[in-house]
Amino acid sequence: QKEVEQNSGPLSVPEGAIASLNCTYSDRGSQSFFWYRQYSGKSPELIMFIYSNGDKEDGRFTAQLNKASQYVSLLIRDSQPSDSATYLCAVRAAGNKLTFGGGTRVLVKP
Amino acid sequence: DVKVTQSSRYLVKRTGEKVFLECVQDMDHENMFWYRQDPGLGLRLIYFSYDVKMKEKGDIPEGYSVSREKKERFSLILESASTNQTSMYLCASSPLQDGVQYFGPGTRLTVT
Repeated sequence: QKEVEQNSGPLSVPEGAIASLNCTYSDRGSQSFFWYRQYSGKSPELIMFIYSNGDKEDGRFTAQLNKASQYVSLLIRDSQPSDSATYLCAVRAAGNKLTFGGGTRVLVKP
Repeated sequence: DVKVTQSSRYLVKRTGEKVFLECVQDMDHENMFWYRQDPGLGLRLIYFSYDVKMKEKGDIPEGYSVSREKKERFSLILESASTNQTSMYLCASSPLQDGVQYFGPGTRLTVT
């Protein structure tokens, strides 16, 4: 069983709509949660991180964390074609290592 | 802004060659990491270092070694390159108390 699971997609979203991405994790001791965006052929870039239960908003992005249910989600509002990318969920338990999910590919159609 | 640089964007090597991949960060981060990324397998941790001259194995260390002689520089060494080491190699760094990892641009290595 993978430690961090994501639906591989592709998640097809019309331009202007909300994209909803989900991530589940197995380690209940996980402390920090990260969302990265990766364009094809490029390296991952941090979108946002969340440590506490609830919602955290940054521009068009909202991260939602539910530790009891062991999931973290990312909402992208007003999706743009430039949001088409693979989104990686990463989880930090103890120590300094991150465990990455396999990523969800998002396609925003004009 | 955090800057992580890698010595090459593209590299082509022959089977059996010794290969050095260099990574430099300019933010005085304690932690540095080497990953490889392959289609369908995601990001896999090869080695990481939390201090100068310190290293720890990640999930797939076989066939690789690392060196960290200075805080800002973390090198990945393929002692004898093989075709199954053809991959995208990504370096990252992070501060000691913060899990956020910042990635370099990556090196696409092809071993023929």
